[in-house]
Amino acid sequence: AQKVTQAQTEISVVEKEDVTLDCVYETRDTTYYLFWYKQPPSGELVFLIRRNSFDEQNEISGRYSWNFQKSTSSFNFTITASQVVDSAVYFCALNVYGNKLVFGAGTILRVKS
Amino acid sequence: NAGVTQTPKFRVLKTGQSMTLLCAQDMNHEYMYWYRQDPGMGLRLIHYSVGEGTTAKGEVPDGYNVSRLKKQNFLLGLESAAPSQTSVYFCASSYSSGLAGDEQYFGPGTRLTVT
Repeated sequence: AQKVTQAQTEISVVEKEDVTLDCVYETRDTTYYLFWYKQPPSGELVFLIRRNSFDEQNEISGRYSWNFQKSTSSFNFTITASQVVDSAVYFCALNVYGNKLVFGAGTILRVKS
Repeated sequence: NAGVTQTPKFRVLKTGQSMTLLCAQDMNHEYMYWYRQDPGMGLRLIHYSVGEGTTAKGEVPDGYNVSRLKKQNFLLGLESAAPSQTSVYFCASSYSSGLAGDEQYFGPGTRLTVT
């Protein structure tokens, strides 16, 4: 069975702090994809990144970076110099076959000014 | 290009009433999905469709039915609403060549309350 665990229910930081959101996944398949989505207070789901299981390179996009480690089945997301606009719920998701996503429970990030 | 749209945005139902949620996409995507989002549980897949005229069950299909009569539309029906179906419902679509990994595009959500 596939499972995604986001152990951090809620994180609060002060603006400009760095913050890492953890994601641990479980699957027996060797081919899979991992995703991060952002859900701001307005409610829509915004795609952030996709990573396939054969590509363990870390990725950086502006203040966002992702660390994929197959050895620990983790796909962690770091926001550098957080801003109030980063306040949202962040979901990690796993896609194994049939393009069906399995979501984690989400982490609420609150960035205070 | 509107992407994925959902109708209605909000709805309040009484227990036992029925309703249909409409999802439409204008991206010519083959795959469409219905999810529900509940506090502390992330999004869970209700039903999905891999093409016009097809539907399949997801993780939590009980109490819901779906239809995909046209490629661009995916309908989610509640025949007899229950308070446990109070949730936010998201529709999504993806192109999908049949392989996993295609990005899913989400609609804005429908907030449903069953009293």
